[in-house]
Amino acid sequence: EPEVTQTPSHQVTQMGQEVILRCVPISNHLYFYWYRQILGQKVEFLVSFYNNEISEKSEIFDDQFSVERPDGSNFTLKIRSTKLEDSAMYFCASRGTGGQPQHFGDGTRLSIL
Amino acid sequence: DQQVKQNSPSLSVQEGRISILNCDYTNSMFDYFLWYKKYPAEGPTFLISISSIKDKNEDGRFTVFLNKSAKHLSLHIVPSQPGDSAVYFCAASSTFSGSARQLTFGSGTQLTVLP
Repeated sequence: EPEVTQTPSHQVTQMGQEVILRCVPISNHLYFYWYRQILGQKVEFLVSFYNNEISEKSEIFDDQFSVERPDGSNFTLKIRSTKLEDSAMYFCASRGTGGQPQHFGDGTRLSIL
Repeated sequence: DQQVKQNSPSLSVQEGRISILNCDYTNSMFDYFLWYKKYPAEGPTFLISISSIKDKNEDGRFTVFLNKSAKHLSLHIVPSQPGDSAVYFCAASSTFSGSARQLTFGSGTQLTVLP
């Protein structure tokens, strides 16, 4: 069964450094998402991406965040200058058209030191 | 943000019995609801969904019930198996938010099925 893959599984970065989280969505999916889950908190929506542009974003997704689909398969989340509070599990998801459900990757654990 | 609430952080049931997980929502614009299962160190796995035009959807051992007037949904697992032990998340979305249909999650319920 096709799945969403995320790399790396764990990323440790110094505060203030840039980090790029990578995702390969399911190949025929058209909508792409990033969510995060801070330890002990709910899974929160960050951003959605469709037709090569951001379609929705949350208040969390400020100017420090950006997303890109650099080629036909990868979908990336960049955090420009990381803060301690960016430490979280970041999940990528994708879905097809209509009422199809979102399918999630196994996440990247981001630890900011 | 308490738009989707799962008030029971944990639930234990005996193998073979029914597991009932509950979820409440406050946003009347939500019209599509999903249940995900999550094992440690893995991402959420889609289980079952229901549109607001229905009040029940069944898939094998899993049934989701939706009570729109009460803004309540529940997931029934019968019979429960030890492999069902995981965290279960309720999630909701709205077509009114645009085609993106981002999900709003509950806080999850840890289900433990005892052999």
